[in-house]
Amino acid sequence: KQEVTQIPAALSVPEGENLVLNCSFTDSAIYNLQWFRQDPGKGLTSLLLIQSSQREQTSGRLNASLDKSSGRSTLYIAASQPGDSATYLCAVMDYGGATNKLIFGTGTLLAVQP
Amino acid sequence: DGGITQSPKYLFRKEGQNVTLSCEQNLNHDAMYWYRQDPGQGLRLIYYSQIVNDFQKGDIAEGYSVSREKKESFPLTVTSAQKNPTAFYLCASTTRVLDQPQHFGDGTRLSIL
Repeated sequence: KQEVTQIPAALSVPEGENLVLNCSFTDSAIYNLQWFRQDPGKGLTSLLLIQSSQREQTSGRLNASLDKSSGRSTLYIAASQPGDSATYLCAVMDYGGATNKLIFGTGTLLAVQP
Repeated sequence: DGGITQSPKYLFRKEGQNVTLSCEQNLNHDAMYWYRQDPGQGLRLIYYSQIVNDFQKGDIAEGYSVSREKKESFPLTVTSAQKNPTAFYLCASTTRVLDQPQHFGDGTRLSIL
């Protein structure tokens, strides 16, 4: 059974710092991996989606990498800002997932201090 | 603007009562999902539907029921059989193309009176 783990559970950094959030999964037979952002009391916003055949995706200050063989993904945030404060969740879609089902990690709560 | 609307934002359930959470989307998406989120935990899948008039159980379907009579709507009923319903409920939708991300509503927070 696929399990997704995110470390650390919480992270606090000063504004302007570059940071890395980690996601690991137990079964490498995935179709894609997705990173989401969740603000308090809100739904999820999709940040990046990496197909299993890709190694990384970039959007603005965000860069996500995928290493299927080691079961790991990282989300790199450059020049962090207070507005980046949120919970970041990763999710994997298992291969053979014709149903688009996602399996989520428990998230990393990020606080960027001004 | 296209999006997913969940209502109500807050809901209270009395003992023995069934309550229904609404989810409507105008994105023309075929697939819709209901997730439950508990504090400090990731999202867990309750039910999903790939097409109108068809739906499947997710990982924690016991005590819940759904219907999919229209493409735009996927209501979730929390029945009295669900003994621990207090949680944040999120609805999502996507196309049936596997490389598209899921879009989420803003959630409904359900509490017990």
